[in-house]
Amino acid sequence: RKEVEQDPGPFNVPEGATVAFNCTYSNSASQSFFWYRQDCRKEPKLLMSVYSSGNEDGRFTAQLNRASQYISLLIRDSKLSDSATYLCVVFSYSSASKIIFGSGTRLSIRP
Amino acid sequence: DTAVSQTPKYLVTQMGNDKSIKCEQNLGHDTMYWYKQDSKKFLKIMFSYNNKELIINETVPNRFSPKSPDKAHLNLHINSLELGDSAVYFCASSQDGRKETQYFGPGTRLLVL
Repeated sequence: RKEVEQDPGPFNVPEGATVAFNCTYSNSASQSFFWYRQDCRKEPKLLMSVYSSGNEDGRFTAQLNRASQYISLLIRDSKLSDSATYLCVVFSYSSASKIIFGSGTRLSIRP
Repeated sequence: DTAVSQTPKYLVTQMGNDKSIKCEQNLGHDTMYWYKQDSKKFLKIMFSYNNKELIINETVPNRFSPKSPDKAHLNLHINSLELGDSAVYFCASSQDGRKETQYFGPGTRLLVL
């Protein structure tokens, strides 16, 4: 099993739709979680951190489920500009710090 | 002002050559990273330095050697380049390497012929 797994997609949804994707992680000692966004041929940029209680930033909602070891990202009222690859990132700070990026979920919003 | 910059942006070279990629951050961060993103877009950490000290060193060939002359710079030197080294290499920085956001450079596209 991969340490961090994401559905690669692509998710192809119409503008205005709600879309959600999950990211599962295998290390129960993982401590910090993030969603990054990467546009084609660009660098990854932070979208949002993921907190234990869940958090919202405008149209974006992130959730963490420690019991089932996954994080999720929900995008409401999707815009054309949301088309990108979404990467989940998992940090572990045990004896050997580890930073693991998921392989990304590709999202395409159609008019 | 660019927060994290990398040079060169593109690098095309022959197998067997030695090349370096430079990275600089002007954010005052303590931690810097090198990542490799292969053709399948999988982004994998290679190294991390905190205040010029190596803190993450993933399993990469020892042909790859990071050098941090000061905490604002983390360069990557690659010896005896191989075809499989072709990828996009991203430098990143963060305040302390734990919970903080990582800021990525624009990437260096390396093609080994």
